[in-house]
Formats: sequence, structure tokens, C-alpha cells
Amino acid sequence: AQSVTQLDSQVPVFEEAPVELRCNYSSSVSVYLFWYVQYPNQGLQLLLKYLSGSTLVKGINGFEAEFNKSQTSFHLRKPSVHISDTAEYFCVEGASGGSYIPTFGRGTSLIVHP
Amino acid sequence: NAGVTQTPKFQVLKTGQSMTLQCAQDMNHNSMYWYRQDPGMGLRLIYYSASEGTTDKGEVPNGYNVSRLNKREFSLRLESAAPSQTSVYFCASSEGGTGGYGYTFGSGTRLTVV
Repeated sequence: AQSVTQLDSQVPVFEEAPVELRCNYSSSVSVYLFWYVQYPNQGLQLLLKYLSGSTLVKGINGFEAEFNKSQTSFHLRKPSVHISDTAEYFCVEGASGGSYIPTFGRGTSLIVHP
Repeated sequence: NAGVTQTPKFQVLKTGQSMTLQCAQDMNHNSMYWYRQDPGMGLRLIYYSASEGTTDKGEVPNGYNVSRLNKREFSLRLESAAPSQTSVYFCASSEGGTGGYGYTFGSGTRLTVV
């Protein structure tokens, strides 16, 4: 069974500092990986996705993620965060192998302090 | 704007009452999902519909029923609400369900059962 582990439940950071949110996946076959963001009292929005090709994926709002097959990781990064980046971030492995069920990580709460 | 529409946005029920949460998507997506989100638990899949005419149980189906009314609409019914069903409910859809299509989420329904 697939599993997605987000290694930090909460990441506090000061404004304009860099941040990395860590995600490890378990699948040993072709993977489809996503990062979603959930702002307070809203639904989930797609930040970026990795389907194939370049291992460095750029998304919206200055975020990027790097797919690392040998370490089964898909960490999310931003070089300089803003207060408005305060949100919950979910790493997701897309359904595969005949299943229609994606696998969600538990989420990482990014808290940006002024 | 195209997307997933959930109604109602807020609801308070008394224990034992019934209600139906509505979800509609206008993207011609094949797969649809119902999740609940509780603090510290991430998103948990209640039911999903891989395609029109099919529905399957997810991780936490007890106490819920679903109907895939047509390709656009996927409703979630609570027959006899319990306080444990107090949660935020999200509907999502995907073009293919499996693979790299990603998932589009509604803005959620906040349900309180007293």
C-alpha cells in the first residue's frame, strides 16, 4: 500500500527566511506527486505537480519541489516566505496501479512570523 | 469559474437528524470523492466514485451513504447524524482518478452535530 509521510507537523519560520517542507513517499513504481495548499477556512489548491521529466518542479507563489527517486522524497521549498504563506500544506501521491484513491500526507502547518 | 461547488457551506444538526451534502463539478471529470477533515487527522476518504454509475467505500464510510446522481453530481448523506460526524467535509473531483490528473477540491462544508 502507498504511504506518504510528511516529516514535520508544524514548521515555524520568520518572514523572508527560506523554508523546506519534507515529504517522503513509498511507491517503488511510477509515481505522480502533488503538493496542495490549504489556507485557513478554504479548500485545497494545487501548488505544483510532478508527473515525469525534470526533477525540479516549479509551482505557483514561488514554490518549487524536487523529486528524488533514490531517496523517495519530494520536498517543497521556497527561498523567501511571506506572512501570506501561512497555511497547511499537503503532499499527495496520485492513484496508480488500477486504484482510484490518492494517498495524502497528514499535512504540515507552515507558520510565518513577522 | 469552473470548479467544484459544495452546498451548504455551514450546517448545524441535532443528533439523529439527517441531511444531504451536495457536490457538483462542471469540468466533465470522471472521478469524484468525499473526504472529512478533522484536526490532526489530515483528510480521510469517506466514499469515492471512480466513474458515473459506480461508488466505493473509502477509509471511514460508516454512518454515510453516497449517490452519484450523474456525471456532475455526487452527494453525501448522513442518515442519523452523530456528534462524531462533526467535521469539515470536502468534495473533490479528478479527470481520470488514476494517474497524474490531480484533484480539484470544493471549498468545504462545516458540519456541527449537537
